[in-house]
This record gives sequence, structure tokens and C-alpha cells, in this order.
Amino acid sequence: EVQLVESGGGLVQPGGSLRLSCAASGFTVSTNYMSWVRQAPGKGLEWVSVIYSGGTTYYADSVKGRFTISRDNSKNTLYLQMNSLRAEDTAVYYCARNAGGLDFFDLWGRGTLVTVSS
Amino acid sequence: SYVLTQPPSVSVAPGKTARITCGGNNIGSKSVHWYQQKPGQAPVLVVYDGSDRPSGIPERFSGSNSGNTATLTISRVEAGDEADYYCQVWDSSSDHWVFGGGTKLTVL
Repeated sequence: EVQLVESGGGLVQPGGSLRLSCAASGFTVSTNYMSWVRQAPGKGLEWVSVIYSGGTTYYADSVKGRFTISRDNSKNTLYLQMNSLRAEDTAVYYCARNAGGLDFFDLWGRGTLVTVSS
Repeated sequence: SYVLTQPPSVSVAPGKTARITCGGNNIGSKSVHWYQQKPGQAPVLVVYDGSDRPSGIPERFSGSNSGNTATLTISRVEAGDEADYYCQVWDSSSDHWVFGGGTKLTVL
């Protein structure tokens, strides 16, 4: 079955760090563009970061310099390292696939909740 | 950065047609994609490249795009269509993906 399963969310204090994982099955992460998209409680969708099949990465201005997207091809898993977390980073984080390098998201995980609070 | 503007809410009676707009500067020159999100669930792609539907999405869902406005049209609306809908484009100038603020569709 083609699916994405996120993990690693939880409660973290402001200034802390967290690493999210997204395990893929049924397709190969490294041959697709893969993104992280987040949704703050009661708010809309916000694109966070992308990693292209060639390894190039891009970040939303709101997380640039604090978050790092990466992948482990041997584990077919996508990651998001989040440092210097702020209250405004509180959100459900979804990983999503841009199939074939297209500019839309055709497959989404169920998401993992990150809460930044003291 | 590129901005997409959606109305916060749209209401429609069952069996009628709902139209959800997405405004952006010269959006007609871009590929626009639409997602449906029901409470507690991940978004689902319902229209891509302006007017194409993924497999499994009913023909009742269609899209158009011209000038400064893209539109998602849902014909013969059903109670199960009640959800939040988001438009999305890729901003080539920044290699960023952009979402509209979302529209809550209420079926009366």
C-alpha cells in the first residue's frame, strides 16, 4: 500500500528541538519531491519545506535557518529537524509527496502534532 | 511573496452548485490545485492543474482558472462535501508552495 506515516511529534519547550520522521511505503522517497506542510490549530495549511529528488532543499521564510529537511534513502524515510522552536511552530505537521516532481501534493500522511509550550 | 485569497466561508443547499474562488495576481498563468480537508483528517487532492481530477474524485468537482481568479465548482452538492477547501500554487520565483487561507463549505 502506498502511504506516508509521520512520527516524532510531542510537547517541547520553547527553544527546544525535535525531529520528525515520515516513513514511506509503496514508493521510493528519493525519486520524488517530498515536502512538509503544517497546520496550526484552527488555522490553514502552510508549506514548510521541500527536498527535491536531486537533494536541493527549500524552506519557508518562517522556518529558514531553524528547520532542516533530509531523507535516508536506505530507510525510505523523510525527516524534519526542528531547532529553536517557538510557540508559533505549534501545529500538526504533515509530510506530503509531489509525485514526479509535479507542483501539487498527491499523497499525504495523517500528520503528527508538535506542541511548543512551557 | 505570492498571495492567494479565498473567502472564509461559502454556504450552499444540498443539490445546488457551490463555487469557491481563489484570487491571486495573474493566477490564470499558473497551475492551480485544490484540496478538501475534513475535520481531523489530512487534506485530499480534488482538482489539479486547474481542472483535472485524480482517480476516485467525482465528476461533480471541477475547476477553472482565468485572469486573477481560479474557481472550484462543486455540482449537486452533498452533505458529505462539507469541509474546508484550499487552493494552492507553486511560486516559481521563490520555489515555494503557497496555499490560500481556506474556505469552509457549509451544506445547509
